[in-house]
Amino acid sequence: KAGVTQTPRYLIKTRGQQVTLSCSPISGHRSVSWYQQTPGQGLQFLFEYFSETQRNKGNFPGRFSGRQFSNSRSEMNVSTLELGDSALYLCASNSGAAGNTIYFGEGSWLTVV
Amino acid sequence: GENVEQHPSTLSVQEGDSAVIKCTYSDSASNYFPWYKQELGKRPQLIIDIRSNVGEKKDQRIAVTLNKTAKHFSLHITETQPEDSAVYFCAASKGNAGNMLTFGGGTRLMVKP
Repeated sequence: KAGVTQTPRYLIKTRGQQVTLSCSPISGHRSVSWYQQTPGQGLQFLFEYFSETQRNKGNFPGRFSGRQFSNSRSEMNVSTLELGDSALYLCASNSGAAGNTIYFGEGSWLTVV
Repeated sequence: GENVEQHPSTLSVQEGDSAVIKCTYSDSASNYFPWYKQELGKRPQLIIDIRSNVGEKKDQRIAVTLNKTAKHFSLHITETQPEDSAVYFCAASKGNAGNMLTFGGGTRLMVKP
């Protein structure tokens, strides 16, 4: 069974632009969560979606948003990009039941210049 | 919110020795504790997890122990091999709060041949 798939894998954006990242969860998984990974801040939770509804939200500004579609695929958007948004953005999925294994995608490497 | 601290940040061992990484958490409601291994440029991969109704779990050379009273859990790797070299992350989540993981800061493990 295919794993968590993220696109694009690498991208470069300019300050002030916006970016949309996509995530396809493992087939049958209904929960999708997003994490930001940077050398300085480590792995930080952005938000989680379950059945098209945001179930949890981390401490990120409103420039970070997401959504989930009826097929469980998810997108996250970052508007008005800042240099500090340069990071690896990881998507993770699981069945939706709390405490079940969470599987990560390979991530999208975002560089803001 | 939950806070997870992880020690040490770097760990160097000789091949064949054991490695121990420790984490503490702050929220007594946390009940799911996974450990992830992340190789350079790759996704975090689950290596073992433990739930709060269990004190210890083993999988071949890897074991995790949990002390709910003291709110700490540890990863033990025996007979280390060069391929164990990676960054290891501990995490915690509350089962009734969806799938939001709070990660520790990571431990860079180097196994010298």
